Amino acid sequence: AQKITQTQPGMFVQEKEAVTLDCTYDTSDQSYGLFWYKQPSSGEMIFLIYQGSYDEQNATEGRYSLNFQKARKSANLVISASQLGDSAMYFCAVTGGFKTIFGAGTRLFVKA
Amino acid sequence: DVKVTQSSRYLVKRTGEKVFLECVQDMDHENMFWYRQDPGLGLRLIYFSYDVKMKEKGDIPEGYSVSREKKERFSLILESASTNQTSMYLCASTSWGGDKDEAFFGQGTRLTVV
Repeated sequence: AQKITQTQPGMFVQEKEAVTLDCTYDTSDQSYGLFWYKQPSSGEMIFLIYQGSYDEQNATEGRYSLNFQKARKSANLVISASQLGDSAMYFCAVTGGFKTIFGAGTRLFVKA
Repeated sequence: DVKVTQSSRYLVKRTGEKVFLECVQDMDHENMFWYRQDPGLGLRLIYFSYDVKMKEKGDIPEGYSVSREKKERFSLILESASTNQTSMYLCASTSWGGDKDEAFFGQGTRLTVV
């Protein structure tokens, strides 16, 4: 069984500062993948970053990085230099091949 | 370059109607998913499919069925729509564990049942 927990329903960050969105997961799969998505008010789901459980290095994509701590089953998203356009819902997901499960999401508010 | 397409962006249906939500992907992905998204509940998995004609129940399959006759198309069916099925429906397709690991979503269908 898989489970994703995002404990922060909402987060505020000042523009140009960094912010960390928490994600913990539980899975019985030996090999799995972790995804982060951004959902702006338009409703579309935008892929941000991916981390495989077998990857030793933390994934990075531009201003996004994933702080992967396998022993703690933690996959936090770090957004550096926040921008007003980063205000959105953010979802963490775990996949074990067939099934992909999402967390409840964190709403990020970027203040000018 | 659209990868996952859902047939409708907005739908309004009457209680008791049979509703079809279509999803098509052009990436030759094996796995396809239907989720519904409700405020405070995140994305909940309704059904998924890992191959043509194969389907598995997710966490909230009641009131829904699915069809996957072709690899690129995954349909969600509401046999008799009810007001508690008013929601945002999201389709996703994924490839994982092979040459590439990726997952993409459609643009979502906001369904209102009146």
